[in-house]
Amino acid sequence: QKEVEQNSGPLSVPEGAIASLNCTYSDRGSQSFFWYRQYSGKSPELIMFIYSNGDKEDGRFTAQLNKASQYVSLLIRDSQPSDSATYLCADNFENSGYALNFGKGTSLLVTP
Amino acid sequence: DVKVTQSSRYLVKRTGEKVFLECVQDMDHENMFWYRQDPGLGLRLIYFSYDVKMKEKGDIPEGYSVSREKKERFSLILESASTNQTSMYLCASSPMNERGYTFGSGTRLTVV
Repeated sequence: QKEVEQNSGPLSVPEGAIASLNCTYSDRGSQSFFWYRQYSGKSPELIMFIYSNGDKEDGRFTAQLNKASQYVSLLIRDSQPSDSATYLCADNFENSGYALNFGKGTSLLVTP
Repeated sequence: DVKVTQSSRYLVKRTGEKVFLECVQDMDHENMFWYRQDPGLGLRLIYFSYDVKMKEKGDIPEGYSVSREKKERFSLILESASTNQTSMYLCASSPMNERGYTFGSGTRLTVV
């Protein structure tokens, strides 16, 4: 069974700081990785995805992928209280084309 | 924007009932997915479909079936509801050759 592992948290950071969310995956065959944000009582929404080793930036968000270490992370710069949510990491489900395999999520709390 | 609509936000059913959860997307997406989300267990894939009348089992298909008679509609069926199927059910869709999902708002099902 493929695993996507995340620390459940909560991760607490002060407003304006950088929040660093981490994820490891077990299947070396995984090709693409996704970060979703889920507010309490709401459905997940896609923040960004990354396919290649290195960094990918989108506004205040940076995704980092290291396939050799099977590690993917999400950095949130200038964290805001509105970023408080659960962040879900996902990779492709084994032998399932476009189906995603999700980690259990990391709870982020940004304190004013 | 892509809209994925789940017919009910909250549903209460009795043990042994046959339950239908409906999902409709309005952007002509080929891929559709059903997940359930439980505290401590995260998002788990039940079934998915890449085309009309086709279906693939996910991680936890037992006790469920699906139907996709039209491209825009993907139904999840609980053949005989049990209390351990009490959960939040999330439908998602994506275009062919893309892995980023759009989720519906979810159906919170309680089986009593």
